[in-house]
Amino acid sequence: GAVVSQHPSRVICKSGTSVKIECRSLDFQATTMFWYRQFPKQSLMLMATSNEGSKATYEQGVEKDKFLINHASLTLSTLTVTSAHPEDSSFYICSARSPGAGGFSDTQYFGPGTRLTVL
Amino acid sequence: DQQVKQNSPSLSVQEGRISILNCDYTNSMFDYFLWYKKYPAEGPTFLISISSIKDKNEDGRFTVFLNKSAKHLSLHIVPSQPGDSAVYFCAATMGGAQKLVFGQGTRLTINP
Repeated sequence: GAVVSQHPSRVICKSGTSVKIECRSLDFQATTMFWYRQFPKQSLMLMATSNEGSKATYEQGVEKDKFLINHASLTLSTLTVTSAHPEDSSFYICSARSPGAGGFSDTQYFGPGTRLTVL
Repeated sequence: DQQVKQNSPSLSVQEGRISILNCDYTNSMFDYFLWYKKYPAEGPTFLISISSIKDKNEDGRFTVFLNKSAKHLSLHIVPSQPGDSAVYFCAATMGGAQKLVFGQGTRLTINP
C-alpha cells in the first residue's frame, strides 16, 4: 500500500521558536496533502489542504501566518509552526491523496504523526 | 460544532464476540462515510467505507451499516480479535471533497 512518512516523529522546543514538520509520500505522487491536528482525547481536526504548486487552503480559525504550509513538490509538504507557544503542543498528522484513484476519501493515506511539545 | 460524534469513548469486548462501534452525524450533506483504525503514535489506517446510496458494506470481518434517516452509522467486527484493539474513528465527507470530518474516536479493547 501507499506509504506516507513524517519527520520528526517527536519534537520538543522552547516557546518562541519555529518548528518544521515534513510530510513525504514515499511511493506515489500526491497532488494534495492535508494537515490535521489532534489534541488529547479529541478528534483529528483538519487544519489546511495543501496543493502542489499553489497556496494552501486553511480551515476557519487556523492562522495561516502561524502555520506555514509549503507543498513544493509532488512528494513533499512541510508545515512550519512559527513562534510556537505551549498551546500549540499537539499531535500533527498529515495525509496524502493518491491521484487517479477516484473521488472518494479512502484514497487518503496518513502519516504516523508528529508529537510537538512546546515548553 | 461537532458534526460527527462518537459518544462512546471506550468499549471492551471479549475475544471472539462481536464489537459494535457507533457514530452519529448531524450534517445531512455528508454522502460518504469511512472508518479508520489508529494505533498509538501511528497515523490512522483506512478500514472500510460506505456511500450514502447504500445501507450496508461488508469486507471480511468488518461490516458498516448506514441509517440515513437516523444519521447513524455503525461498524461491526466479528469475530473480534486481540489485534483489533485500537482507537477507531469514523469520518464523513461530502461531494467527493476529500475533506474528512472526524469523530472523537472510540478505544476498543479486545479481552482474551
